Amino acid sequence: GAVVSQHPSWVICKSGTSVKIECRSLDFQATTMFWYRQFPKQSLMLMATSNEGSKATYEQGVEKDKFLINHASLTLSTLTVTSAHPEDSSFYICSAYEGRGSYEQYFGPGTRLTVT
Amino acid sequence: GENVEQHPSTLSVQEGDSAVIKCTYSDSASNYFPWYKQELGKRPQLIIDIRSNVGEKKDQRIAVTLNKTAKHFSLHITETQPEDSAVYFCAASPNDYKLSFGAGTTVTVRA
Repeated sequence: GAVVSQHPSWVICKSGTSVKIECRSLDFQATTMFWYRQFPKQSLMLMATSNEGSKATYEQGVEKDKFLINHASLTLSTLTVTSAHPEDSSFYICSAYEGRGSYEQYFGPGTRLTVT
Repeated sequence: GENVEQHPSTLSVQEGDSAVIKCTYSDSASNYFPWYKQELGKRPQLIIDIRSNVGEKKDQRIAVTLNKTAKHFSLHITETQPEDSAVYFCAASPNDYKLSFGAGTTVTVRA
């Protein structure tokens, strides 16, 4: 149980285009989903927290107009990187939190974004 | 916000020896401390976690200790095996469940 999927697993796009990444909790309802970015040989940096039906909360320094997050249901959150640039190339990972007294977050497999 | 420091950044051990990774945190409100193992290009995998009401937890070859007064926690891996080679991250979470990660430790187990 507690499986989180991400789609696509990798994507290559041209500079200036937008890319959408989906994060789904497959066998549980996620009260909260988190989006992280991880550059090569670095740690995971939290970008934003999203709760179903409400606006995402962005971490300091993360441009909310560039990284659009939609949490339309308890099993789906999407991250759209708008007007992507090469510096946005990174590994994007989502996690889902079920709640119910458990602190554990379940991570998706990640999406490798390369902007050319 | 929470600030987590992790040491060492790299660790090389002989197969069968023990490995210890240490982390400190800044926010006294943090009450959940997970440890993750991440292989290249893969998702972080939870290997053990501890809540603030517990001082030590063990799961086979892996143990975690927590000192709330000093605000530090450690991961101990005994009888290391080549498959333990990976990047390990500690994290801390205050009541809002957001995770702040340490910088990571690259562990290499020499056969």
